[in-house]
Amino acid sequence: AQSVSQHNHHVILSEAASLELGCNYSYGGTVNLFWYVQYPGQHLQLLLKYFSGDPLVKGIKGFEAEFIKSKFSFNLRKPSVQWSDTAEYFCAVKGDYKLSFGAGTTVTVRA
Amino acid sequence: DSGVTQTPKHLITATGQRVTLRCSPRSGDLSVYWYQQSLDQGLQFLIQYYNGEERAKGNILERFSAQQFPDLHSELNLSSLELGDSALYFCASIRPGLFKQYFGPGTRLTVT
Repeated sequence: AQSVSQHNHHVILSEAASLELGCNYSYGGTVNLFWYVQYPGQHLQLLLKYFSGDPLVKGIKGFEAEFIKSKFSFNLRKPSVQWSDTAEYFCAVKGDYKLSFGAGTTVTVRA
Repeated sequence: DSGVTQTPKHLITATGQRVTLRCSPRSGDLSVYWYQQSLDQGLQFLIQYYNGEERAKGNILERFSAQQFPDLHSELNLSSLELGDSALYFCASIRPGLFKQYFGPGTRLTVT
């Protein structure tokens, strides 16, 4: 069965710190991978996606993610966070017919 | 299990038809979001309801409408269906004052 696991429930950082959020999935076939961000009170927005090609994907707002097929991972990174990056982050995996979400990671950036 | 339920799981219908998708939020959650996931695209935000009232609108077609009932369940109505409406439709709910959305399992709509 297809599933997504996000390792961190809540991450607290200071501004300018680096961020890395883990995402692992289980699925035997070809996948599309997504990271979404949800700012307080808002709907989900797409940060970046991977379908094929270069496994290092650059998204909006300085985020990037690396697809490591051998590890079934798609970790999200940002070298220097800002207070405005305080949000909920979701990893999602799309197999043939289904889209699965991780439980989400709350990121709190302290000024 | 997120606590958000969606029915039906799968729906196959013909072009021109009308369907209703249902979402029941987690107990205590007042807000419901609807999203569409089609082909290889990311989620598209459609509409949000909060305690029965429309709160925000995204890329929702005029052929689509939604409402949230007094018991807080929500329905997404899709009419004059076209082949391009084939997609996964998700709803998510959120509790006032809390951060995180909880997603339902989705309804897979196939228009033939």
